Amino acid sequence: DGGITQSPKYLFRKEGQNVTLSCEQNLNHDAMYWYRQDPGQGLRLIYYSQIVNDFQKGDIAEGYSVSREKKESFPLTVTSAQKNPTAFYLCASNPRDSNQPQHFGDGTRLSIL
Amino acid sequence: DAKTTQPNSMESNEEEPVHLPCNHSTISGTDYIHWYRQLPSQGPEYVIHGLTSNVNNRMASLAIAEDRKSSTLILHRATLRDAAVYYCIFLPYNFNKFYFGSGTKLNVKP
Repeated sequence: DGGITQSPKYLFRKEGQNVTLSCEQNLNHDAMYWYRQDPGQGLRLIYYSQIVNDFQKGDIAEGYSVSREKKESFPLTVTSAQKNPTAFYLCASNPRDSNQPQHFGDGTRLSIL
Repeated sequence: DAKTTQPNSMESNEEEPVHLPCNHSTISGTDYIHWYRQLPSQGPEYVIHGLTSNVNNRMASLAIAEDRKSSTLILHRATLRDAAVYYCIFLPYNFNKFYFGSGTKLNVKP
């Protein structure tokens, strides 16, 4: 079945370490997104990409980096510059057509040791 | 920004209809209205979307006001599995940003 795969489901990071969250989709979607969700809050956009080798900052990009070398992959790196990285991270994708819904992965929960 | 306004929480009895409102006063004529719902520790799930006309699918109905500045998601018979946070968003034609807001937390009582 087509969908979005995020891995790992749970991730722990030590202070000062960078960590990379994986997001892969086999839906042939052009656009991909990363969101952060804190407890009891809505989703906030970190980065998005509408085409391979191109991406834009969302509302809370500081302390994060992304790459889009392949259409199906959009990894997110949480750098040591992100001072409060503990959160639930969601990856999503959709075709380049606002008439089509956005598909989400099951998320990665990142915690600081 | 493409922001929407929703009540923080609502409550319903099982087997009764639920009407979840959403205001989107800055919407433009080509922006689609989408609804998603999210269960705890899961990614959001698509529910329904529309442009101008009312829409129905197996999960819900979407009623869009004539001026398109508000919409209502209708669950015809709420079940316990419908307890979730419901997000209303609208997508600008260039769809480069989705704004989810805090959504409405629906509690369904047995």
